Amino acid sequence: NAGVTQTPKFQVLKTGQSMTLQCAQDMNHEYMSWYRQDPGMGLRLIHYSVGAGITDQGEVPNGYNVSRSTTEDFPLRLLSAAPSQTSVYFCASSYFRGYIGNEQFFGPGTRLTVL
Amino acid sequence: DQQVKQNSPSLSVQEGRISILNCDYTNSMFDYFLWYKKYPAEGPTFLISISSIKDKNEDGRFTVFLNKSAKHLSLHIVPSQPGDSAVYFCAVGGSEKLVFGKGTKLTVNP
Repeated sequence: NAGVTQTPKFQVLKTGQSMTLQCAQDMNHEYMSWYRQDPGMGLRLIHYSVGAGITDQGEVPNGYNVSRSTTEDFPLRLLSAAPSQTSVYFCASSYFRGYIGNEQFFGPGTRLTVL
Repeated sequence: DQQVKQNSPSLSVQEGRISILNCDYTNSMFDYFLWYKKYPAEGPTFLISISSIKDKNEDGRFTVFLNKSAKHLSLHIVPSQPGDSAVYFCAVGGSEKLVFGKGTKLTVNP
C-alpha cells in the first residue's frame, strides 16, 4: 500500500499561472479532502469529497477547484495563482460511513510558493 | 471566529514527566474528537480519538479526556519521550468535516 501520495512535493508559480496538485490513494477510501497549512493557522479545509462524483466546499474554497471522477484520485486546481495561496497543501483520505469520525490518512504535502 | 482553540502555542517538558495538551471547542454538536501529531516536513498522523459518548480513551502512553459540559478535551502523554517532540493538533468533527486547532508544539527535553 502506497497510502496517500501527492505530487509534486515542491512547486513555484508566478502570479496568474494555473496548476493542478495531484492526490491519489490506494486504500479504497470514500472520503478525500484537501487542507492548507499556514504558519500559526493550523489546517484549514479547502474542499472535500464523500465519494466519486460528489464534492463540497470547506472553510477556504475560494480560488480552488476540485473534481472526483474516480475513488482513487482527487486533484486540486488553482485556476489563477495568487501570492495568498502560498502554503503547504495536504491531501487526506478516510473511510466514510455517513460521518467522518475515523482517522484520516494524510499525504506528505506539497509546498507551493506563488511569486 | 475560531471553533477549535489550542491556547498554548508551545509546551516544554522533561523526559519522563507528563505532557498535557489542551483544546477547547465552541460547537456542542461536534461528535468526534481526535488528536494528530505532525513532524516537520511530513503529513499529520492520527494519534488517538474519542467519541462524544465517552469521557476517556487510553492507548498506551496516550490518554484523551473529554469534558462535554466544558467543551474541553485534553491529551495526556505519560511518560513523555524525546521522540514525542512534534506539533499536536486537535480536531473535532461532525458528519462531513473536521475542524482543526492551530496546534501546540511540544518539546520533550532529555
